[in-house]
Amino acid sequence: NAGVMQNPRHLVRRRGQEARLRCSPMKGHSHVYWYRQLPEEGLKFMVYLQKENIIDESGMPKERFSAEFPKEGPSILRIQQVVRGDSAAYFCASSPPGRGTQNEQFFGPGTRLTVL
Amino acid sequence: LAKTTQPISMDSYEGQEVNITCSHNNIATNDYITWYQQFPSQGPRFIIQGYKTKVTNEVASLFIPADRKSSTLSLPRVSLSDTAVYYCLVAGAGSYQLTFGKGTKLSVIP
Repeated sequence: NAGVMQNPRHLVRRRGQEARLRCSPMKGHSHVYWYRQLPEEGLKFMVYLQKENIIDESGMPKERFSAEFPKEGPSILRIQQVVRGDSAAYFCASSPPGRGTQNEQFFGPGTRLTVL
Repeated sequence: LAKTTQPISMDSYEGQEVNITCSHNNIATNDYITWYQQFPSQGPRFIIQGYKTKVTNEVASLFIPADRKSSTLSLPRVSLSDTAVYYCLVAGAGSYQLTFGKGTKLSVIP
């Protein structure tokens, strides 16, 4: 059973360009979460999605950032008009339906975004 | 979400037992304590979760005193491959919005 897949692993963009980060959850998982990690910092929650629904986007900046998890295909985190401050590692995690009582999320390897 | 405090870094020699303590003075009644491990350039990985007393699995043990205001992650006989950042999280059961602090950077020395 493949783990959470993220691509690309590294992404370089110039200021003002768009960044699209993709995440394929583990097979059978219907919950997807996106986190951002700045250097030497812990991960910060951005958004929680289920298929075709955004459940909680309270951690995501209201401008330039958007996320989706379509019925078919991977979840996409989209950053428009990137700025240098967007440079970070972006992690996707998934969990199975119901989640249970265990706070276990399965994380992908991350996408490292560098904005020049 | 309860705030946690843990040492920024720790060093240990191979083969030793390592104990990382986390303080969470304002933990709520329905909060669980969860530990994650993160290797460089990888996403975090769940290690263990507990509510009170002691929990043990094949990787680690988690000790939680009766007042639950702190917890200790115990790694038996560490090896070089245990060099990583360890995060202590406190959240309600099944919470999806995990809050990671800066964690404890464990360096295992040969």
